Amino acid sequence: NAGVMQNPRHLVRRRGQEARLRCSPMKGHSHVYWYRQLPEEGLKFMVYLQKENIIDESGMPKERFSAEFPKEGPSILRIQQVVRGDSAAYFCASSHAGGAETQYFGPGTRLLVL
Amino acid sequence: AQSVSQHNHHVILSEAASLELGCNYSYGGTVNLFWYVQYPGQHLQLLLKYFSGDPLVKGIKGFEAEFIKSKFSFNLRKPSVQWSDTAEYFCAVSGNFNKFYFGSGTKLNVKP
Repeated sequence: NAGVMQNPRHLVRRRGQEARLRCSPMKGHSHVYWYRQLPEEGLKFMVYLQKENIIDESGMPKERFSAEFPKEGPSILRIQQVVRGDSAAYFCASSHAGGAETQYFGPGTRLLVL
Repeated sequence: AQSVSQHNHHVILSEAASLELGCNYSYGGTVNLFWYVQYPGQHLQLLLKYFSGDPLVKGIKGFEAEFIKSKFSFNLRKPSVQWSDTAEYFCAVSGNFNKFYFGSGTKLNVKP
């Protein structure tokens, strides 16, 4: 039962480095969502992608953050020049279709910026 | 603006006690409501969801939730908790636009 896969599970970066987070959706799912969870807060929507398309990036910070979901391979959330405030858990979810479909979540990547 | 409020940030109960976790939302238009649970060290799992129909929804592990439209609420309940229910519980709402809005979560600690 291959659920949503994320790697790495834990990532440590120094300020100024780049962080790349990967997400493989559930089999048969073509919709991917990224959320960020800061300590003691709920998950905040970042971006919604379908294959090769960004559908909604209204939750993405304007600078340093980017996301892609190529035709082949996992979805990538990329954070350039990380700062301490980027330390958080980043969750990926996938769904079979868009709209009001249930989203299934991965285990998250915990990013720590030193 | 869309938002979800979970007023109980931390709940401590003894086994066999009854549970009710509050969730209130602010959202214009048709809503779909969810409760997710995150057990220690694990990822979020869907407990139950409401799209339409009977406002009393039954989920896994004996949980249920009631959608009260007039109160903008979707409270989670369980008549008798177990130690294994210790986890963090998140209420979420979505409309037709894919993105989910999550509450800040309620940490439940069940003492054996």
